[in-house]
Amino acid sequence: QLQLQESGPGLVKPSETLSLTCTVSGGSINSDHYYWGWIRQPPGEGLEWIGSVFSSVNTYYNPSLKSRVTISIDASKNKFSLRLSSVTAADTSVYYCVRHVGATAAHAFDVWGQGTMVTVSS
Amino acid sequence: EIMMTQSPATLSVSPGEGATLSCRASQNIYSNLAWYQQRPGQAPRLLIHGASTRATGVPARFSGTGSGTDFTLTITSLQSEDFAVYYCQEYESWPPRATFGGGTKVQI
Repeated sequence: QLQLQESGPGLVKPSETLSLTCTVSGGSINSDHYYWGWIRQPPGEGLEWIGSVFSSVNTYYNPSLKSRVTISIDASKNKFSLRLSSVTAADTSVYYCVRHVGATAAHAFDVWGQGTMVTVSS
Repeated sequence: EIMMTQSPATLSVSPGEGATLSCRASQNIYSNLAWYQQRPGQAPRLLIHGASTRATGVPARFSGTGSGTDFTLTITSLQSEDFAVYYCQEYESWPPRATFGGGTKVQI
């Protein structure tokens, strides 16, 4: 059974870079031909897609975050990562790593990590 | 940019009753719509994709209908574990935007 697990600092200072990693277990990130992505949810609010990646070749980002986001895959470690630069308090959220239903970034998300809370504060 | 609007924001239902949740897209998204359930303190869970296809393991009391701009999630005979927040999400946009609706909270 495929599982995703987020990891990374729970506290990031304003203007710094938020870095999170998602470890994939129960399946191969490289051979399964899926898109992988990140979604966030501010406390008490709704869901916002951040971006998705396929084999480090194709990446798609939310236009509202595109200038600050990088999503990459490390297939040798079966992990993918999120970097969000120049963070502010508005970036405080629970961050989820996810898998798309199929080999397209235009689809639903069928596997979710448990989420990790990241707070931006000095 | 496609906007997704869910109604009502909150729905009060008694256990054993049914619930009907609505989701409207600002433009035609065909059947490119998913529904998710989020229980308190948990990650969202995919219920429906393709507007009407239940995801693996989802009970038959959950059903999705609609196409174009108007969609409905129906829950028959609510169980205690069904009281949660439900989100719709479009995936018609290209390049992808994966826009979510604001959610409907189903409460006792």
